Amino acid sequence: KQEVTQIPAALSVPEGENLVLNCSFTDSAIYNLQWFRQDPGKGLTSLLLIQSSQREQTSGRLNASLDKSSGRSTLYIAASQPGDSATYLCAVMNTGNQFYFGTGTSLTVIP
Amino acid sequence: DVKVTQSSRYLVKRTGEKVFLECVQDMDHENMFWYRQDPGLGLRLIYFSYDVKMKEKGDIPEGYSVSREKKERFSLILESASTNQTSMYLCASISGTGAEKLFFGSGTQLSVL
Repeated sequence: KQEVTQIPAALSVPEGENLVLNCSFTDSAIYNLQWFRQDPGKGLTSLLLIQSSQREQTSGRLNASLDKSSGRSTLYIAASQPGDSATYLCAVMNTGNQFYFGTGTSLTVIP
Repeated sequence: DVKVTQSSRYLVKRTGEKVFLECVQDMDHENMFWYRQDPGLGLRLIYFSYDVKMKEKGDIPEGYSVSREKKERFSLILESASTNQTSMYLCASISGTGAEKLFFGSGTQLSVL
C-alpha cells in the first residue's frame, strides 16, 4: 500500500526566509501529486497539482517539484510571510482515484 | 471555481444518535469522498462514490454508511454515534478524469458526548 511521509512535522522560520517542505512516497506508480494548505479548523485547499509526466509546477511564490523515480516531491516557498503559516499536506493519486495523504508539515512564519 | 459545501461547521451530538453529514458540490463531479481527520493520524478515507448510487468502502467504514441519490450530493450517516467518532469530517470531490485538483469542503467538526 502507498505510504506518504512528510518531514519535518513542524517548522518555524523568520519572515522573508525561503523554505522547502518535503514529501516522500513509497510507490512510484502515481497518477499525480498535489500539495494542499490547511488552516486550523478548515478544509484543505489545493495549491499545486503535478501530473506524473511533469517535473514541476509554479504558482506565485510556490514551486513544487516531482521526482517520481525516487519517490520525492518538494514544495519551495519563496520569501515567506506570516500569512503562509498553515499546515501543508501532500497527496498522491494512484489509479482508480485513490488518494494517499501525508500527515502534513505545520509551518509557522515569525514576523 | 468549484465549491464543495458541507452543511454544518460544528455539530454536537449524544451517544447513540443517528447523525447525517451532508455534502454538495456544484461542478458535476463524478467522484466524491468522505474522510475523517484526527491529530497524528492524518486523513483516513471512510467511503467514496464514483457515480450516483455507487459507493465503495474506504479504510475505516465501520460505523458509517453513505448515500448518493443525486450526483451533486453525498451524505455520510453515523448510524449510532459513539464518542470515538468525534472528529473533523471532510468531504471532497474530483472529476471523473482525475486529472484535476481535488476540492474539499470546509469540514464539519463533530463532537459526540
